[in-house]
Amino acid sequence: EAGVAQSPRYKIIEKRQSVAFWCNPISGHATLYWYQQILGQGPKLLIQFQNNGVVDDSQLPKDRFSAERLKGVDSTLKIQPAKLEDSAVYLCASSLDFGTGQFFGPGTRLTVL
Amino acid sequence: KNEVEQSPQNLTAQEGEFITINCSYSVGISALHWLQQHPGGGIVSLFMLSSGKKKHGRLIATINIQEKHSSLHITASHPRDSAVYICAVGTSYGKLTFGQGTILTVHP
Repeated sequence: EAGVAQSPRYKIIEKRQSVAFWCNPISGHATLYWYQQILGQGPKLLIQFQNNGVVDDSQLPKDRFSAERLKGVDSTLKIQPAKLEDSAVYLCASSLDFGTGQFFGPGTRLTVL
Repeated sequence: KNEVEQSPQNLTAQEGEFITINCSYSVGISALHWLQQHPGGGIVSLFMLSSGKKKHGRLIATINIQEKHSSLHITASHPRDSAVYICAVGTSYGKLTFGQGTILTVHP
């Protein structure tokens, strides 16, 4: 069974530039999560989708971050414009449904200069 | 105070030692997760438990719901166990709140 795929694995940009990350969850998984993990900290949930609807985006900085899952499968997370403090690993995870085990992708390491 | 607290933050052990990592939480949960993260960022789910005890190979996880406490034990530790171990508590909607992680280094 293929795992959660993410791309790119690494990205370096300058502040005020835009960046987008892509996630392909495990086939059949209804729930998709985007997390931000700053160095030395545990991951923080940015947004949770159930199929193509948003369940929780309370910690998403909506002035600069956006995410979509239009067809209820793949998802993209965008930052526009990026700030230095956005440097982090962005993790995507998926689960079969609410409350079931989450499977994590390899993450995208973003460096903002 | 964080909702999920882990201790210790850093742990160094010699190969073969018995290791315990603790996790305390202050919110109501539907399940508690133990995760392993290696350098490079990838996270692997080790356990998901809501009561009692689970065992997988040399890893054992326990949870005490009344005391809001969980422990992860590693028996006969090995250098390949070196990683960050993260405790996370989940709600019925699947949202996870993570601890800050415990950095484990096992020396040969």
